[in-house]
Amino acid sequence: QKEVEQDPGPLSVPEGAIVSLNCTYSNSAFQYFMWYRQYSRKGPELLMYTCSSGNKEDGRFTAQVDKSSKYISLFIRDSQPSDSATYLCAMICFGNEKLTFGTGTRLTIIP
Amino acid sequence: AAGVIQSPRHLIKEKRETATLKCYPIPRHDTVYWYQQGPGQDPQFLISFYEKMQSDKGSIPDRFSAQQFSDYHSELNMSSLELGDSALYFCASSLATTTSTDTQYFGPGTRLTVL
Repeated sequence: QKEVEQDPGPLSVPEGAIVSLNCTYSNSAFQYFMWYRQYSRKGPELLMYTCSSGNKEDGRFTAQVDKSSKYISLFIRDSQPSDSATYLCAMICFGNEKLTFGTGTRLTIIP
Repeated sequence: AAGVIQSPRHLIKEKRETATLKCYPIPRHDTVYWYQQGPGQDPQFLISFYEKMQSDKGSIPDRFSAQQFSDYHSELNMSSLELGDSALYFCASSLATTTSTDTQYFGPGTRLTVL
């Protein structure tokens, strides 16, 4: 079993819809949680970063962490075609440096 | 804002050849990480350096070696290349702090193709 599980999709939603992307993890030592967006043939781009349970909002993006359930989510409001990409969750333990990634969810926003 | 720079962006080699990938971190960042991303796979951690010393090691083959130089740039050396080494190689950098684990910022990647 992988330490981080993420539904690979693909996920297609109409423009303007709310998108929910999710990851579960098994290692309770993970303390920091990131969401990266990766366009085709590009490097992962950091979207959100959080270390506490609860919600963190940045524009149209909301990152949600539930440490008790070992579950994190990324919500995208008012989705745009430019949001079409692969979204990777990533986690790291305090004091460690190695990011552990989910497999990524491929998202397509349909105009 | 300056980002992580990787060179070359594309590299084509034949089996058993050697390749060197370079990474220039964001200015003032002191930590560099290398990741390998195969087709359709998530990035896999290879190795990291903090203040020019190896700080963590992942699934890096013995045929690969890396180092961080005094100007904090890093090089990944890959010898006896195999077809399975064909992948995107990402470098990321961060600024280590004493109280938290800082976020990693990725470069554009080097696409290595082994023929």
